[in-house]
Amino acid sequence: NAGVTQTPKFQVLKTGQSMTLQCAQDMNHNSMYWYRQDPGMGLRLIYYSASEGTTDKGEVPNGYNVSRLNKREFSLRLESAAPSQTSVYFCASSEVGNSGANVLTFGAGSRLTVL
Amino acid sequence: AQSVTQLGSHVSVSEGALVLLRCNYSSSVPPYLFWYVQYPNQGLQLLLKYTSAATLVKGINGFEAEFKKSETSFHLTKPSAHMSDAAEYFCAVSEKGTYKSIFGTGTRLKVLA
Repeated sequence: NAGVTQTPKFQVLKTGQSMTLQCAQDMNHNSMYWYRQDPGMGLRLIYYSASEGTTDKGEVPNGYNVSRLNKREFSLRLESAAPSQTSVYFCASSEVGNSGANVLTFGAGSRLTVL
Repeated sequence: AQSVTQLGSHVSVSEGALVLLRCNYSSSVPPYLFWYVQYPNQGLQLLLKYTSAATLVKGINGFEAEFKKSETSFHLTKPSAHMSDAAEYFCAVSEKGTYKSIFGTGTRLKVLA
């Protein structure tokens, strides 16, 4: 019962460095998401993938790229990290249920600090 | 455009007292509404959801929420707070046919002994 697994859990970067956050889900969900969580701002959608082979921008996509590697995996890349990208990042997956509602299942989060 | 407003970023209640966390939404079409809970150093997990089947929705751990269209509200309640309810609670809205969920800014619940 792993659900959604994110790696790494913690990372410290220097400004300008690059890194990739990895996410995998084992629930056979079609849709996957990356959110960032900042104090007082709730969760903001960075990118999402409605299904394998598609990706779309969310509310705050600037400075990020994503790859939907296969149905299970969805990675988030920071090409040139900036202090403003210091945040907690959450990956989520979902499948639309019989009710039509899109219920999200979240990973445990990745805490990123950019110095 | 969808939006969610949660009134009160911090709420404190005594153990055994009523919990009331407020959520108002904006949506151009009938929405789906959710409450998620986040315990310290964990991801969010679903507490309950409204999908138009019934206006009063019951969730896990004794929580419930009532959809009131006239007030565009979906407030979360629990009759008697327990210490284990201390967490951050997020209200979210999505529309049928979309993949995006819009989250409120969260309410941190503190339960006092």
